[in-house]
Amino acid sequence: ETGVTQSPTHLIKTRGQQVTLRCSSQSGHNTVSWYQQALGQGPQFIFQYYREEENGRGNFPPRFSGLQFPNYSSELNVNALELDDSALYLCASSLGTGTSNQPQHFGDGTRLSIL
Amino acid sequence: GENVEQHPSTLSVQEGDSAVIKCTYSDSASNYFPWYKQELGKRPQLIIDIRSNVGEKKDQRIAVTLNKTAKHFSLHITETQPEDSAVYFCAASKAGNTPLVFGKGTRLSVIA
Repeated sequence: ETGVTQSPTHLIKTRGQQVTLRCSSQSGHNTVSWYQQALGQGPQFIFQYYREEENGRGNFPPRFSGLQFPNYSSELNVNALELDDSALYLCASSLGTGTSNQPQHFGDGTRLSIL
Repeated sequence: GENVEQHPSTLSVQEGDSAVIKCTYSDSASNYFPWYKQELGKRPQLIIDIRSNVGEKKDQRIAVTLNKTAKHFSLHITETQPEDSAVYFCAASKAGNTPLVFGKGTRLSVIA
């Protein structure tokens, strides 16, 4: 069973640039959730994709966008980067059933630094 | 929306002692409560979870209790070991494919 993998592991960008982060879900999982984890804080929900459709969004501006592919892998795109976007971006996959909660398993994350 | 409060923010215990971390949640519709362990520079790792139809769940040295009436749940670690040192996060979510709302974390240090 392959776990959740994310790329790249580290990234340095400057203000105003754009970035794309990638996530491969665990085998058999159809749901990907993205979280932002600032230093010393708990993960904050950005959005979730279920069977290629956005299935919920947290309190993040529209410059945070994403998509999910037919193989259930996912991308997180952030436009017009700001200094406050510096954080660890975590992807979690799960088997969405629509009715019951299923455990979410996290990848190692992408550490994004904005200069 | 849901709000999860976690206490304490830091906890130091002697090796072999027990550690207890407590969380409260605000949304009575929440029914799934996982706990994650995050070591420095690593991914959050699911260590135990509990659903609202159960009051207690145990897995070796780790147990979680849930009080739905009071809307709080706790993580209990017995016979702590140095490798238990990490940041622990509680979380809550509602039924269906819904996102997790996390607490701010507890940094546990087990002193040998």
